[in-house]
Parts: sequence; structure tokens; C-alpha cells
Amino acid sequence: NAGVTQTPKFRILKIGQSMTLQCTQDMNHNYMYWYRQDPGMGLKLIYYSVGAGITDKGEVPNGYNVSRSTTEDFPLRLELAAPSQTSVYFCASRRQGSGTSTEAFFGQGTRLTVV
Amino acid sequence: AQTVTQSQPEMSVQEAETVTLSCTYDTSESDYYLFWYKQPPSRQMILVIRQEAYKQQNATENRFSVNFQKAAKSFSLKISDSQLGDAAMYFCAYRGGDDKIIFGKGTRLHILP
Repeated sequence: NAGVTQTPKFRILKIGQSMTLQCTQDMNHNYMYWYRQDPGMGLKLIYYSVGAGITDKGEVPNGYNVSRSTTEDFPLRLELAAPSQTSVYFCASRRQGSGTSTEAFFGQGTRLTVV
Repeated sequence: AQTVTQSQPEMSVQEAETVTLSCTYDTSESDYYLFWYKQPPSRQMILVIRQEAYKQQNATENRFSVNFQKAAKSFSLKISDSQLGDAAMYFCAYRGGDDKIIFGKGTRLHILP
């Protein structure tokens, strides 16, 4: 089972460059999330989506954009990369509904360095 | 906005002993979900245990159990018979009605052989 797949796993970006972090899931989950994790810190929510065509801001959305054209994919776009965006990025998904069985499943993360 | 606080940045426990990690949260909602995730050096986020706020009974998963105190907004994780493989970062997480999942800053757990 693939689960949640993130690409690339590592990337070095120059200041001012742009890139897209890819996230795809094969579990038919409606909900998807993007987080960033700075060294020694917890996960901060960047954007999330409750279904195709619907996205909403999280705690730290500035400098990022997302789109959700399909259930499977939830790419995160960085425009004009800055050193402050150096972090590990995690994508997660979960199925719709209530109950504790709707826990989030995470990808392996993308380590991004902006120099 | 909901917040999750983990007041212990690091903890150590002797192998085979019991350790408790603390988590408090702030919310005005009555129905929500709480989770503990483990993050080993591999970086993978692994669900340890979960709790629904409307359930009085504390969740248990093998050596892992929680002490859920709804009135106090407290959700601590107890690890019994600690093993070397338990060494990791542990994150407390909250999910409310707006579907956001909010994490605490984490507690790094060291297991002493």
C-alpha cells in the first residue's frame, strides 16, 4: 500500500526560486493537510482541504499556495522562496467522517533548504 | 483558536520503567478528538493512541494509555515498561469541528538502558 506519497524527499532551493511539493494519496481520503516542521518544533498547519476544489488556510499560510483539483493530489506551491521556509514539510490525509478511526496518515516528509 | 501545549521539551526514563508525558489544550468545543503521535528518527509520524472527547473511558493500546481529564483539558500519555524502541519525539494533537489538526511542540523521550 502506497498511502501518502510526497516528492521530492530532499530539495535545495535558491532564494527567490519557486517550486511545487507534490503530495498524492491512494486511500480515497477527502481531507488533506500540509504541515511544516522546524527543527525541534512541532508541526504547524499551512493549508488544508476537505475535498476537491476546497482549500482553507491554516496557522502559517503566508508564502504558500495550494490547489486541490482531484481527490488524490494536493500540491503545495512555494513562490519566491525565502530562508525562513527552510523546513521539513509533511502532507497528511484522512477519511471523512467522525470517530477516532479517522486519524491522519502522514507522508515521509520533504526536507527543503533555501539558500 | 485552539492551542495544544506540551510543557516538557525532553524527558528521560529508565528502560522497563513507566513515564508520563503531559499535554494540555485550550478549546471552547465540547466534541473533539485527541491524539498522540510518535516520530522516531526516521521522521515518520506514527499514531500511538487516540481519544474521543465524549468518551469517559481512557483509551489504552498495549503499553500505552492516556489520562483524559476533560474538565481540566488535560490529555497525558503513560508508557509502561518502556523499551529502547520507544525513544522518539511524541506529539499531542487536537482535532475539532473545523477539521484542523493542531499539534503541540512535542516532547523528546530518551530511554536509558
